[in-house]
Amino acid sequence: DGGITQSPKYLFRKEGQNVTLSCEQNLNHDAMYWYRQDPGQGLRLIYYSQIVNDFQKGDIAEGYSVSREKKESFPLTVTSAQKNPTAFYLCASSIAGGRPYEQYFGPGTRLTVT
Amino acid sequence: AQSVTQLGSHVSVSEGALVLLRCNYSSSVPPYLFWYVQYPNQGLQLLLKYTSAATLVKGINGFEAEFKKSETSFHLTKPSAHMSDAAEYFCAVSARDLDMRFGAGTRLTVKP
Repeated sequence: DGGITQSPKYLFRKEGQNVTLSCEQNLNHDAMYWYRQDPGQGLRLIYYSQIVNDFQKGDIAEGYSVSREKKESFPLTVTSAQKNPTAFYLCASSIAGGRPYEQYFGPGTRLTVT
Repeated sequence: AQSVTQLGSHVSVSEGALVLLRCNYSSSVPPYLFWYVQYPNQGLQLLLKYTSAATLVKGINGFEAEFKKSETSFHLTKPSAHMSDAAEYFCAVSARDLDMRFGAGTRLTVKP
């Protein structure tokens, strides 16, 4: 079955450490996204990528970094510069080009930093 | 700029009652509109989408939504709630490629 996988499901880190969240898709989608979800705030866009080796900042990119070396993979690094990293992180993908397309979401990673 | 407003962060209905979740959008160009559902600690699943074809859109699990341009609304309805409908629902708008904006979400509780 095609879909998006995120690992791990739960992640715990100490303050000051960088941590990388994995996102892989086998839907052959060109576009991939990272969102942060906090209670009562909906989804906020961190980064998105339309093609390999290219990505754009979203609304809340500060303290995060990404790479897109392969079409299937779009890992997100939460750096120590992110002031409040504890959140639920969602990866998504979509067809790109021409008009808006629905996004398909992974199961999410819940990050807790103490 | 585009945005959505979901009226009511929490909605509670009895099992078998009508479900109505409200969404109003703002967009400078004709929008594409979406409803997603999220169960606890899971990702979002697409319920239905409006892409400028029929204004009444039917989705999965018995849900439907009607696009009303004059009211800038895209409310989600289901005639009879089921316990399994308890979840969080997100309305989203997209007016151009790669740019989707989500509402804050509405948590639906279904009472037996």
